[in-house]
Amino acid sequence: KNEVEQSPQNLTAQEGEFITINCSYSVGISALHWLQQHPGGGIVSLFMLSSGKKKHGRLIATINIQEKHSSLHITASHPRDSAVYICAVFRREGAQKLVFGQGTRLTINP
Amino acid sequence: ETGVTQTPRHLVMGMTNKKSLKCEQHLGHNAMYWYKQSAKKPLELMFVYNFKEQTENNSVPSRFSPECPNSSHLFLHLHTLQPEDSALYLCASSQAPRGGNSPLHFGNGTRLTVT
Repeated sequence: KNEVEQSPQNLTAQEGEFITINCSYSVGISALHWLQQHPGGGIVSLFMLSSGKKKHGRLIATINIQEKHSSLHITASHPRDSAVYICAVFRREGAQKLVFGQGTRLTINP
Repeated sequence: ETGVTQTPRHLVMGMTNKKSLKCEQHLGHNAMYWYKQSAKKPLELMFVYNFKEQTENNSVPSRFSPECPNSSHLFLHLHTLQPEDSALYLCASSQAPRGGNSPLHFGNGTRLTVT
């Protein structure tokens, strides 16, 4: 079992819908990252958080350290939001490195 | 523009070829990374360099040979690869040595196909 699990693996929605992508992890962490990967392959860092909630434009990321769970929300989704969203956690103990989830492929239809 | 430039974007090579991937960052970061992304698998860390010194080799086969001549440049030398090495190879940089508490900046990747 992966240390970082994302759900759903694939998500298709209509433009304007509210989107939620979930990330659960099983190790102690010092930070959690949300990344966005467009079809060309390049990856952009969206958020890095260790507690609470962060907001940037239509994107909101939350984390619950006790429950080892994070969510990424997109409000008023748009076709340009179509991408793969990747959750990654930085392990606090043992091999201290970033561990990545398998990604959630999001498709927003017009 | 992410500040991290990778070349080439696409590479097709035979199993007996020798080629190199190049990464350059213009962000003043002190840590650079090579990641491998295979189809339907999570990103896998290959190598970490901190201030030009290799600090992590994630059990990568010797047919992949990294080189970091300075904090801004990172190479991945490839020789006698196997078809299963076909993947997207991503370079990244960050301010902190292990990228845990500072954002990673990724290049656009090199799509490698081994025939």
